[in-house]
Amino acid sequence: TQLLEQSPQFLSIQEGENLTVYCNSSSVFSSLQWYRQEPGEGPVLLVTVVTGGEVKKLKRLTFQFGDARKDSSLHITAAQTGDTGLYLCAGFTGANNLFFGTGTRLTVIP
Amino acid sequence: DAGVTQSPTHLIKTRGQHVTLRCSPISGHKSVSWYQQVLGQGPQFIFQYYEKEERGRGNFPDRFSARQFPNYSSELNVNALLLGDSALYLCASSLGGLAYGYTFGSGTRLTVV
Repeated sequence: TQLLEQSPQFLSIQEGENLTVYCNSSSVFSSLQWYRQEPGEGPVLLVTVVTGGEVKKLKRLTFQFGDARKDSSLHITAAQTGDTGLYLCAGFTGANNLFFGTGTRLTVIP
Repeated sequence: DAGVTQSPTHLIKTRGQHVTLRCSPISGHKSVSWYQQVLGQGPQFIFQYYEKEERGRGNFPDRFSARQFPNYSSELNVNALLLGDSALYLCASSLGGLAYGYTFGSGTRLTVV
């Protein structure tokens, strides 16, 4: 059972375009993380957001944590082929266990 | 520094058999978590151990068990394997606490035939 639903499930865009991935839940999370996973590898942490309403920017990536700490979004500006991968949101429950979302598979076409 | 190491990298087992997967965390990390990832889906939480004690269990049957050793390495055991257990099994280590990210190993690809 996935507590976190991501949308879209698949996304294919041209290099240079912008995109947004959404992560939604009916549960409140203590903090939320975003990971990227490439084939044959484990997920790699991109960012941790802790405070409701928090916005973090990492170069072309912007992460936002919802005010109610139930949802988050990842926005990529001017996508590059190197951004291709599986993007996963993950939230910490009160028991300090980390649960992952359903994933968004992004393909950036040159 | 060595990252999270998992062994074996690939494994083929027959239905009904037992399997043991191993994980060595990053030096200094006391928390180890196990996840099952079916192709095309997000990882599903199986267990978390911290300081050798179970700190969380996901929605998996009792056929799944795990333990953590004094050196913080961990084993995941699965009994009576089913075809549906075929997946990538990921181990992650952490310092513990909400502010710390998890570092994942590359996983063990288990195929049950």
